[in-house]
Amino acid sequence: DAGVTQSPTHLIKTRGQHVTLRCSPISGHKSVSWYQQVLGQGPQFIFQYYEKEERGRGNFPDRFSARQFPNYSSELNVNALLLGDSALYLCASSSRLAGGLGDTQYFGPGTRLTVL
Amino acid sequence: AQTVTQSQPEMSVQEAETVTLSCTYDTSENNYYLFWYKQPPSRQMILVIRQEAYKQQNATENRFSVNFQKAAKSFSLKISDSQLGDTAMYFCAFIANTGNQFYFGTGTSLTVIP
Repeated sequence: DAGVTQSPTHLIKTRGQHVTLRCSPISGHKSVSWYQQVLGQGPQFIFQYYEKEERGRGNFPDRFSARQFPNYSSELNVNALLLGDSALYLCASSSRLAGGLGDTQYFGPGTRLTVL
Repeated sequence: AQTVTQSQPEMSVQEAETVTLSCTYDTSENNYYLFWYKQPPSRQMILVIRQEAYKQQNATENRFSVNFQKAAKSFSLKISDSQLGDTAMYFCAFIANTGNQFYFGTGTSLTVIP
């Protein structure tokens, strides 16, 4: 079975632009979480979606939004990009709602976003 | 709020030797889960080992084992017989069973020296 996939692999944008990142979870997984990993830091939680509903949100501004589709894939949208948004964006999937049963989250390879 | 602290930014170990990576966490929760993830250079993060807080027995996975001290809120990772492929960034992570997000430490960069 394929693991978590993310697209695109790399992306270069300029300040003020908008970006959409995509994630496909492992087949059968219903939960998708998004993380931002700034160079040299650990991942920071942005969103969790389960069964197409937002189930958690980290400390990120409203410029960040996400959604989950009926096939459980997900998109992360970032508006009005700032230089500080440059990071590796990770998607992780789990079979159930992360936390309830401590399900392992499986990570994708990430999308490297550079904002110039 | 939960916090995870990894106090060793960088470590190195000779091939075939044993190394221990430290992790401490702070939480008021009683039921939670702890993880160690490995992130090789330019590659995706993969699970190394997982520990349920309600289990007293320390988790082991082949060459990897943990020393879980619940009272001290400590969760260290021991790598035995280190291999070159163990070179990576290692992250400690926490999630409460009532929570919805993983909390990660800042990572420890491990280099295995041939």
